[in-house]
Amino acid sequence: SAVISQKPSRDICQRGTSLTIQCQVDSQVTMMFWYRQQPGQSLTLIATANQGSEATYESGFVIDKFPISRPNLTFSTLTVSNMSPEDSSIYLCSAPLTNTGELFFGEGSRLTVL
Amino acid sequence: GENVEQHPSTLSVQEGDSAVIKCTYSDSASNYFPWYKQELGKRPQLIIDIRSNVGEKKDQRIAVTLNKTAKHFSLHITETQPEDSAVYFCAASKWYSSASKIIFGSGTRLSIRP
Repeated sequence: SAVISQKPSRDICQRGTSLTIQCQVDSQVTMMFWYRQQPGQSLTLIATANQGSEATYESGFVIDKFPISRPNLTFSTLTVSNMSPEDSSIYLCSAPLTNTGELFFGEGSRLTVL
Repeated sequence: GENVEQHPSTLSVQEGDSAVIKCTYSDSASNYFPWYKQELGKRPQLIIDIRSNVGEKKDQRIAVTLNKTAKHFSLHITETQPEDSAVYFCAASKWYSSASKIIFGSGTRLSIRP
């Protein structure tokens, strides 16, 4: 079955720095989605990454804070910029790998900002 | 945009009893309603989904019902087992449209008492 892999799986970062999370899908997908899951909370959609166009951000998320790249149909990156402790969270990439609508998730990247 | 509300936030049932989780959605154009299960430290995984052209779907001990008029849908788990303990998320989407993002509910932490 198709796989979505993310790295890093976890990191501890200093306030004010930036971190880029990579997401690799082993099949070509039109859309990739980036979610944030704060401890004990739900999955909040950050943005939709479409190949060949700018990412579409949800309310409360801006490109300067969460720049996204989508250079091809199997890869995307999410950067968390100028991090603060409030950015400590799990970041998950996801994609529909079939035409049924099912969303598959990467294993997540757990960021802790000190 | 779409808003999905889910309740209860926590649910404890005796092993062997049934569990019911309820969700409402706001966008009448939504047509795809998946349910995801997330075990501790793991990625969310689809357990069942339903589309707007059917009112009920069943898969072994799990069933989902949809009331389009009232804009609510429910997950039913019968004969609960310890391995059913997890966080469950409902979600809604306008699948196969240009806005095919999936919005999640707040989650229900289900505990099965032995």
